[in-house]
Amino acid sequence: GQQLNQSPQSMFIQEGEDVSMNCTSSSIFNTWLWYKQDPGEGPVLLIALYKAGELTSNGRLTAQFGTTRKDSFLNISASIPSDVGIYFCAETNRDDKIIFGKGTRLHILP
Amino acid sequence: SAVISQKPSRDICQRGTSLTIQCQVDSQVTMMFWYRQQPGQSLTLIATANQGSEATYESGFVIDKFPISRPNLTFSTLTVSNMSPEDSSIYLCSVDFQQGNGYTFGSGTRLTVV
Repeated sequence: GQQLNQSPQSMFIQEGEDVSMNCTSSSIFNTWLWYKQDPGEGPVLLIALYKAGELTSNGRLTAQFGTTRKDSFLNISASIPSDVGIYFCAETNRDDKIIFGKGTRLHILP
Repeated sequence: SAVISQKPSRDICQRGTSLTIQCQVDSQVTMMFWYRQQPGQSLTLIATANQGSEATYESGFVIDKFPISRPNLTFSTLTVSNMSPEDSSIYLCSVDFQQGNGYTFGSGTRLTVV
C-alpha cells in the first residue's frame, strides 16, 4: 500500500535558522499536502501541490512537488517561536482520501 | 473554509463504556471523515462518513467498535464503543470543503480511557 516516509522525525533549531524537511512516497500520486499541527489542535493545511516540479510559497514557507512525483520538501525560512509544532506531509490516494506521513516535530531552542 | 465544531474537546472515560463524539460543520459538505491520532503518532483514517448510507471503514476498523452516523450534510457522530485504555487517542473529524484542495480538520477530541 501507499507509504509516506517523512524525515527528520524531529528537529531542534535556534530561532532564526532555516528549516528543511522532506517526504518520499512509495507510489506516484497527484497531490502533496503539507499540514501543521499545534498542541491541542487539529492539523491546518499550509500548502497544497498539484503538479510535478511545482514550487509554492506561503509567507516564510516554501514547498516543492518533486519531479519524480514521489517526493516533496518543505522549507521554513528564518524560524520564529510560533513555528513550533508537528509538520505532516500527506497525499491523496486514488479514493481521494488523505494519507499522512509520521510527522516532523520542530522544536526551537531559546 | 469550513468551520468545524467538535464535542467534547476532551473526556476521561471508564473502560467498558462508550463515548459519542459530535462533529458539526457550518456549511454543507459532501465528504466527512474520522481520524484517530494515537499518542505521539500520525493521523490514521478510521472511516468515511456517508450521508444516507453506512460509513466506509478502513482496514483495521469495524462498525461494531466505531459506529458512525451521518444524518445530514453538516453533522456526523463517531462512537467509540466498549472502550479500553488502548482507545486513548485524539479523534478528529475532517471535511473536504474545497474538493481536492486538502481537508479542514476539527480541533479533535482527546479521549483518555482509565
